[in-house]
Amino acid sequence: DGGITQSPKYLFRKEGQNVTLSCEQNLNHDAMYWYRQDPGQGLRLIYYSQIVNDFQKGDIAEGYSVSREKKESFPLTVTSAQKNPTAFYLCASSIRMSGELFFGEGSRLTVL
Amino acid sequence: GQQVMQIPQYQHVQEGEDFTTYCNSSTTLSNIQWYKQRPGGHPVFLIQLVKSGEVKKQKRLTFQFGEAKKNSSLHITATQTTDVGTYFCADNTGTASKLTFGTGTRLQVTL
Repeated sequence: DGGITQSPKYLFRKEGQNVTLSCEQNLNHDAMYWYRQDPGQGLRLIYYSQIVNDFQKGDIAEGYSVSREKKESFPLTVTSAQKNPTAFYLCASSIRMSGELFFGEGSRLTVL
Repeated sequence: GQQVMQIPQYQHVQEGEDFTTYCNSSTTLSNIQWYKQRPGGHPVFLIQLVKSGEVKKQKRLTFQFGEAKKNSSLHITATQTTDVGTYFCADNTGTASKLTFGTGTRLQVTL
């Protein structure tokens, strides 16, 4: 089955620790994205990538980093510089930048 | 950056009642997408509207794109409990065609 896999689904970390969230897709999509969702809020774009080895900052990139070494993979690192990292993180992909987004099931990060 | 306002933030209806959510922009949109997110789930694509005045239907859901391409609406006829969730509009008019999501309308349906 084609789709997007995010892991882990739930993650607890202590303040000051870096955390890496995994996102893998087998849809052969060029574009991949990371969004952050806070309770009762919309989705805010963290980073996006239109092609392998290239990525761009979204609206709230501070305190986050990404890499795109393979077409299928777009991991997100939440660094200790992110002041309020507790949130629901959603990875998505699309055939092209303006196309329909396919989302993973999300990773819920709680920083204690 | 591009801002799309979505109203209402929340609506509670009885099953069988109709529901409408609106997406408004101060600037012209190139196109708009609608997504549904069930409680605890992830957003799922519903539809994309591209043309001025476009109307599309999916069973009980009717999507409209305004004539001036500055607003859009999603109307659900005779809601069911399966319609519960948050409905988001999203536009990609801005930089690099990246999608910007509205704040969403949370729909609660009770029997």
